[in-house]
Amino acid sequence: DQQVKQNSPSLSVQEGRISILNCDYTNSMFDYFLWYKKYPAEGPTFLISISSIKDKNEDGRFTVFLNKSAKHLSLHIVPSQPGDSAVYFCAALSHNTNAGKSTFGDGTTLTVKP
Amino acid sequence: NAGVTQTPKFRVLKTGQSMTLLCAQDMNHEYMYWYRQDPGMGLRLIHYSVGEGTTAKGEVPDGYNVSRLKKQNFLLGLESAAPSQTSVYFCASSFPPPANEQFFGPGTRLTVL
Repeated sequence: DQQVKQNSPSLSVQEGRISILNCDYTNSMFDYFLWYKKYPAEGPTFLISISSIKDKNEDGRFTVFLNKSAKHLSLHIVPSQPGDSAVYFCAALSHNTNAGKSTFGDGTTLTVKP
Repeated sequence: NAGVTQTPKFRVLKTGQSMTLLCAQDMNHEYMYWYRQDPGMGLRLIHYSVGEGTTAKGEVPDGYNVSRLKKQNFLLGLESAAPSQTSVYFCASSFPPPANEQFFGPGTRLTVL
């Protein structure tokens, strides 16, 4: 049973527009959520995170929204740039269980067209 | 400051051969992890370590062994390689909770024929 799901394998947007990447989770014990970005032939790098006590966290062009009742989070990138083209992984963890280990979604490949 | 490094970057094995992947970090992190990533899938945790001399099983540990003899190094061993172990392997490290962010190495692409 996959506890973290990214239902869109790919997303294509025009440069300058908004990119919205979605993530759903099933485990109500998750209390922290992260987004990682991965370029080809490189390891993932941390992008932005949010605690379950918040519903929004913003860092420059990147904003993550958390809807706990729906067990849903989304990453907004505004404006999108060609350099944002990458695979984005959603991850979730629980500080009370799992010793803080992260559970990852399958990723969404974002393509930003010039 | 090199961060997390992995050796080797690429490797081709024949079925039944053994090998060791090396992960090294210079950030003084307590926690270290080994993941595998298969096409179209996310990162699945193989084994992890919460400190020097400790290891624990993750989600997909079968066919792998690990050792953490030094804080900065985390070794992943394949005892008898199988084609199902063809994958990209990532090592990561982090500070203990409540720190949450993991730092990843560049990956090792392993092919088992």
